[in-house]
Amino acid sequence: GEDVEQSLFLSVREGDSSVINCTYTDSSSTYLYWYKQEPGAGLQLLTYIFSNMDMKQDQRLTVLLNKKDKHLSLRIADTQTGDSAIYFCAEILNAGNMLTFGGGTRLMVKP
Amino acid sequence: DVKVTQSSRYLVKRTGEKVFLECVQDMDHENMFWYRQDPGLGLRLIYFSYDVKMKEKGDIPEGYSVSREKKERFSLILESASTNQTSMYLCASSYQRGVYNQPQHFGDGTRLSIL
Repeated sequence: GEDVEQSLFLSVREGDSSVINCTYTDSSSTYLYWYKQEPGAGLQLLTYIFSNMDMKQDQRLTVLLNKKDKHLSLRIADTQTGDSAIYFCAEILNAGNMLTFGGGTRLMVKP
Repeated sequence: DVKVTQSSRYLVKRTGEKVFLECVQDMDHENMFWYRQDPGLGLRLIYFSYDVKMKEKGDIPEGYSVSREKKERFSLILESASTNQTSMYLCASSYQRGVYNQPQHFGDGTRLSIL
């Protein structure tokens, strides 16, 4: 079955890099996503990576995909207080419609 | 930019009431989804629709129904609201290209309280 796991909490200092990790079990994933949720708000799509890619960079965000270990990470460079939020990874399977979400990682950025 | 709009940010209803949550998207997306989000349980899919008048059950459809009469609008219906349906409800939509689905875009959520 599908299972997507994340650590619950990460605390970093402003200006440091943050790395949020995610593991998944289903090797037939097509796309893997990172979403950001600020308090009281919906989910904002940050970035996504196709399963045949190893890395994707988008400004301060770097996504790394290790297909062998089924491990996905999101690196945020120069983390700011405005990056404090819950980050969800999610996968979608081949030709599927449904996303499977991890439980979310709460990122706290200290000034 | 994709815009997914949920009709209410906050809603308070009473047990036994029929409740409608509305969601509209402006990008001509084929797929639309309803999730609920609860502390410790993450996001769970209630129903989704891949075309007008089409619907599929998600992980937790019990106590809910949906309606998709127009492509841009997807309604979630609580036929007889119960207190265990107090939750944050999130709507999403995505574009389907061939056999692959594009990313889902979410609305701001409706926080529903059932008293």
